[in-house]
Amino acid sequence: KAGVTQTPRYLIKTRGQQVTLSCSPISGHRSVSWYQQTPGQGLQFLFEYFSETQRNKGNFPGRFSGRQFSNSRSEMNVSTLELGDSALYLCASSLLGGQSPQSTDTQYFGPGTRLTVL
Amino acid sequence: SQQGEEDPQALSIQEGENATMNCSYKTSINNLQWYRQNSGRGLVHLILIRSNEREKHSGRLRVTLDTSKKSSSLLITASRAADTASYFCATDAGGTSYGKLTFGQGTILTVHP
Repeated sequence: KAGVTQTPRYLIKTRGQQVTLSCSPISGHRSVSWYQQTPGQGLQFLFEYFSETQRNKGNFPGRFSGRQFSNSRSEMNVSTLELGDSALYLCASSLLGGQSPQSTDTQYFGPGTRLTVL
Repeated sequence: SQQGEEDPQALSIQEGENATMNCSYKTSINNLQWYRQNSGRGLVHLILIRSNEREKHSGRLRVTLDTSKKSSSLLITASRAADTASYFCATDAGGTSYGKLTFGQGTILTVHP
């Protein structure tokens, strides 16, 4: 099976702009999670989508949003970019996203989108 | 926020030696997973250990989990230069933490040829 794909791989934007990142999960996976990775804060959970519904959200401002389509592909959007939004954005897919209490769902990560805000 | 600590923060060894990395976490978990990351690229899944398991092996990897101490360790035996990477532990708290893994700060492993 093809792995998780993310587009674009690199982006350069200026402050105040908005950006949309795309993630295509592994075929058959219904859960997509997004993470932000920075040198200072490490890997932080943004949100998770399952069957087009956001089920879980991390502690990020409302400028960060996302959605999921019926084919499980997901996009995340960041509006009014700030310098501190420069980061590697990773998406991960899993079968069910931990739906069952004893879940052993493995998350498989894409290569990431490197966003630089100038 | 990070779930816990990983130590050491950096580890430098020679090829052929074993590498041990430790991870501590704060809350109860469903499972704990270890990932590898090369030079700021995507994360590669290495191994998952469930909360009711104490030890798991996969090739040259051995993971232990002590839920009473809220800690885990990853042992890489007979290290190779290609093992040079950052290693992260990540916990799945289960319940309504859908799709959320909480990561440690990572250990940077350098294996010298």
